[in-house]
Amino acid sequence: EDKVVQSPLSLVVHEGDTVTLNCSYEVTNFRSLLWYKQEKKAPTFLFMLTSSGIEKKSGRLSSILDKKELSSILNITATQTGDSAIYLCAVDHLANAGGTSYGKLTFGQGTILTVHP
Amino acid sequence: SAVISQKPSRDICQRGTSLTIQCQVDSQVTMMFWYRQQPGQSLTLIATANQGSEATYESGFVIDKFPISRPNLTFSTLTVSNMSPEDSSIYLCSVGQGRIPYGYTFGSGTRLTVV
Repeated sequence: EDKVVQSPLSLVVHEGDTVTLNCSYEVTNFRSLLWYKQEKKAPTFLFMLTSSGIEKKSGRLSSILDKKELSSILNITATQTGDSAIYLCAVDHLANAGGTSYGKLTFGQGTILTVHP
Repeated sequence: SAVISQKPSRDICQRGTSLTIQCQVDSQVTMMFWYRQQPGQSLTLIATANQGSEATYESGFVIDKFPISRPNLTFSTLTVSNMSPEDSSIYLCSVGQGRIPYGYTFGSGTRLTVV
């Protein structure tokens, strides 16, 4: 069964702290790993990772994929209250139904990050 | 990336009734997806909808309960039928675009409460 597991499930920090969120996966026919930020209803895209060891950065956020360990981390430095959200890890992979392959996203449980002033 | 308009944004419905959620995309896309997010849970894929073919449903989801239409490459609907309070969730549509691996974009979501 395809599975994506995130840790920790929740995290409370103070502004200025650095946090590391973890994601591990077991899927067939991996295509990419994606990170999303969810504040209200719609997840907003952060990163797509396809190659091991190549760090992607956007401001204070960065992420890296380890395909040997089947895992990824999302780092947020100098956290701000606006970083408070649910961070979702999802894996894009091929699934099979009735002999037909199709791409799908399997999501982890999410990490609830709370940043206090 | 595509812009998705999802309606309604929220609704409160009586048990036993049905609600149809619409997603309109500003460009033609092959793959559209429907997700459910129950309170305190992560996103679960309900079905994949390709234009011109029947939707592919994930384990635990059936067409009678969640019928999907995909009449063209820019539009899709999901109906939640014969609703019960357990159907109270956020429902999201998503599209996959570009070369594989896709970038995935999400609609704004529909918050459904069944009373």
